[in-house]
Amino acid sequence: EDQVTQSPEALRLQEGESSSLNCSYTVSGLRGLFWYRQDPGKGPEFLFTLYSAGEEKEKERLKATLTKKESFLHITAPKPEDSATYLCAVLSTGNQFYFGTGTSLTVIP
Amino acid sequence: DAGVIQSPRHEVTEMGQEVTLRCKPISGHDYLFWYRQTMMRGLELLIYFNNNVPIDDSGMPEDRFSAKMPNASFSTLKIQPSEPRDSAVYFCASSFSPALSNQPQHFGDGTRLSIL
Repeated sequence: EDQVTQSPEALRLQEGESSSLNCSYTVSGLRGLFWYRQDPGKGPEFLFTLYSAGEEKEKERLKATLTKKESFLHITAPKPEDSATYLCAVLSTGNQFYFGTGTSLTVIP
Repeated sequence: DAGVIQSPRHEVTEMGQEVTLRCKPISGHDYLFWYRQTMMRGLELLIYFNNNVPIDDSGMPEDRFSAKMPNASFSTLKIQPSEPRDSAVYFCASSFSPALSNQPQHFGDGTRLSIL
């Protein structure tokens, strides 16, 4: 069964404390893996697309990496404004979208 | 750029009533997606359109749900009759073609639906 699992469900960090969020996936074939950020009361906002194992993308304090089974979103020296829910989504070769349930990140000043 | 516009932002209605959610995609985008988000199941794709034609509605939960896209700038998601378990936040998203691989989806801010 195709599925996407994100961990941890929630993460609290001190400002400046680096960490990683995990997205594990099982699909018959991967066309793309997407990371989104969602703020309360808002729709998801696109961050990255990754297509193949070994690929990396960076944006400010965020770096996304991809292996054949999982993706990591690394957050370096986070700031309070990085607090949000981070969603991972997978597009299979069967053109099916699967979203994870997200990781709620809180960065404490 | 106005972004994806959804209305209403909040809807509270009684069980059995018809509910209509509306979406205006970003001009020029030819893919439109409807999602439902709950705490238990996260974000679920309900249906998507390409050039106003429904392509995949396998995520629509039941026949009570229907979606239309009469033109490139408007889509509706209708629930009739509504039930309490339909309570969720419903999102609309749009993108350029080829939407399914390397073009990101742009989401609206959602409609929070409560069925009493």
